[in-house]
Amino acid sequence: NAGVTQTPKFRVLKTGQSMTLLCAQDMNHEYMYWYRQDPGMGLRLIHYSVGEGTTAKGEVPDGYNVSRLKKQNFLLGLESAAPSQTSVYFCASSFGETGYEQYFGPGTRLTVT
Amino acid sequence: GENVEQHPSTLSVQEGDSAVIKCTYSDSASNYFPWYKQELGKGPQLIIDIRSNVGEKKDQRIAVTLNKTAKHFSLHITETQPEDSAVYFCAASIKGFKTIFGAGTRLFVKA
Repeated sequence: NAGVTQTPKFRVLKTGQSMTLLCAQDMNHEYMYWYRQDPGMGLRLIHYSVGEGTTAKGEVPDGYNVSRLKKQNFLLGLESAAPSQTSVYFCASSFGETGYEQYFGPGTRLTVT
Repeated sequence: GENVEQHPSTLSVQEGDSAVIKCTYSDSASNYFPWYKQELGKGPQLIIDIRSNVGEKKDQRIAVTLNKTAKHFSLHITETQPEDSAVYFCAASIKGFKTIFGAGTRLFVKA
């Protein structure tokens, strides 16, 4: 039981490049979330999903897209990276209506130059 | 939208002393208040949570109190140990949806 895993752990992009972050969970959770963490600002919700095939915007969705084609996976895409997207990205999952606790992955450190 | 304020941003205590972190929230509809601990280089991990129908919850050395009228909740750690040193986040949400986090408190426990 690996819990929540994230790929990759580190990435450096140039401005304008694109990339996809992968999150996978093996706990059969319904809900999945993507957050970014910046110094002094805690975690901010980018997008979330309440089930396979559904996604919704969080606090800071601009510049990001997501997809949830399979229940266990949640992908975060950056179509045209900007330096303002330099951050640590965390994925989380939860049971949803039957359990609110969120389980977090180890994070991906992204630097955009 | 919901806003969560957390104080202090940094807290330094002597081993064995107590530590208290306070948070306020703005949305009176919030009904779930978790606390997360984040160690260096790792993702946050839930340490305790409380729902709005409960005023206090305790788990060994950790306790959380909730005042719905004043819209604030607090984390209390007693008999602190060096391994309690970490960043702590409070959060508020409605049934776990769109969780809003505080900015975090960096706790140092000096041996």
